[in-house]
Amino acid sequence: EVQLVESGGGLVQPGGSLRLSCAASGFTFSTTWMHWVRQTPGMGLVWVSHIKSDGTTITYADSVKGRFTISRDNARNTMYLQMNSLRAEDTAVYYCTTDGAYASTYWGQGTLVTVSS
Amino acid sequence: QSALTQPPSVSGSPGQSVTISCTGTSSDVDYYNRVSWYQQPPGTAPKLIIYEVSNRPSGVPDRFSGSKSGNTASLTISGLQAEDEADYYCNSYTSSDTWVFGGGTKLTVL
Repeated sequence: EVQLVESGGGLVQPGGSLRLSCAASGFTFSTTWMHWVRQTPGMGLVWVSHIKSDGTTITYADSVKGRFTISRDNARNTMYLQMNSLRAEDTAVYYCTTDGAYASTYWGQGTLVTVSS
Repeated sequence: QSALTQPPSVSGSPGQSVTISCTGTSSDVDYYNRVSWYQQPPGTAPKLIIYEVSNRPSGVPDRFSGSKSGNTASLTISGLQAEDEADYYCNSYTSSDTWVFGGGTKLTVL
């Protein structure tokens, strides 16, 4: 059974940093592309970032480019999202997802990030 | 990276069919056959229901179907059931090697 478990969310002040983790199991993580997707409470889904299986290709949404860094450790079956210079508008539930045929096939339960003073 | 355009809400009675549209541009929806759809009941994580425009993952009922014409993709739900009430989102891969979601559509089963 595919499992994705996000962690690392919490309350942070504007300008602060946070690192999210996504622990994966039940599939071959090292050959799977992965995404981060966020959802502001009560609002829609927004794609954040993507990383290919070996980490050599990475893309970001314009809204987080230069502030967020996606990475992965295939030996630990874990993906990360380092978030710096956080803004109020980054407040959201952050989901990690697997990629299959350019779609988000499996989703974690999400972790809430709140940026507020 | 503008969001794809979806109607905010649609509704239908049990047994009827509803169609949700998703309009993009020549750089996303019209560029590739890499459009996907997600169902999100309240308080839950999204679930993939259509990928590559019209393919259903294992376990998704054939009442759900997808299509595309030019820069507009569509999700049709036939034989509407009460448990179909949820938010629905489209998504497309883009020519910039990024992805973009639609704003979401709330489906109400009357």
